[in-house]
Amino acid sequence: RKEVEQDPGPFNVPEGATVAFNCTYSNSASQSFFWYRQDCRKEPKLLMSVYSSGNEDGRFTAQLNRASQYISLLIRDSKLSDSATYLCVVNPWTGGFKTIFGAGTRLFVKA
Amino acid sequence: GAVVSQHPSRVICKSGTSVKIECRSLDFQATTMFWYRQFPKQSLMLMATSNEGSKATYEQGVEKDKFLINHASLTLSTLTVTSAHPEDSSFYICSARARQTNTVYEQYFGPGTRLTVT
Repeated sequence: RKEVEQDPGPFNVPEGATVAFNCTYSNSASQSFFWYRQDCRKEPKLLMSVYSSGNEDGRFTAQLNRASQYISLLIRDSKLSDSATYLCVVNPWTGGFKTIFGAGTRLFVKA
Repeated sequence: GAVVSQHPSRVICKSGTSVKIECRSLDFQATTMFWYRQFPKQSLMLMATSNEGSKATYEQGVEKDKFLINHASLTLSTLTVTSAHPEDSSFYICSARARQTNTVYEQYFGPGTRLTVT
């Protein structure tokens, strides 16, 4: 089993749609969680951190479920500019501080 | 968010030569920096983790004598691809860890270096 698994993509949605990404992680001791966005041929950029209480930033909502070991990202009112690959990232609290990246889910938002 | 710079952004070199890539954290001190490689349409692959003042830890399958990493200070790490071959052509991305709280570290990425070996 992979340490971090994401929904296989791609997701193709029309503008204005709501889309949800799920991600599961295997290490129950994991401490921190993030969603990154990566545009084609660009570096990943931090979209938002994911806290136990959940957090919202405009059209984006992230949730963490520690009991089930999954995190989610909800995008409301999708825009064309949301088209990108979304990476789920888990940071285990280990001596090596090794961050684990999911393979990413590609999102295409179409007019 | 914190800023990480990377230089050069693109480099084309001949097979057999060496290429050095610099990664700098501009407005924060990074005790840990990471080097990734990404081939087209594939995920980021962690190559190595480097802590300031100590030897880098390489991932399995990554040749430490080929990919030399030097983390000279809290704001600078370099990756040198020695005796480059066409199969080393890839997008190399560095990342630096910034501490947000006692347990939460956020990771910021440089803009990447596109290496083409001819």
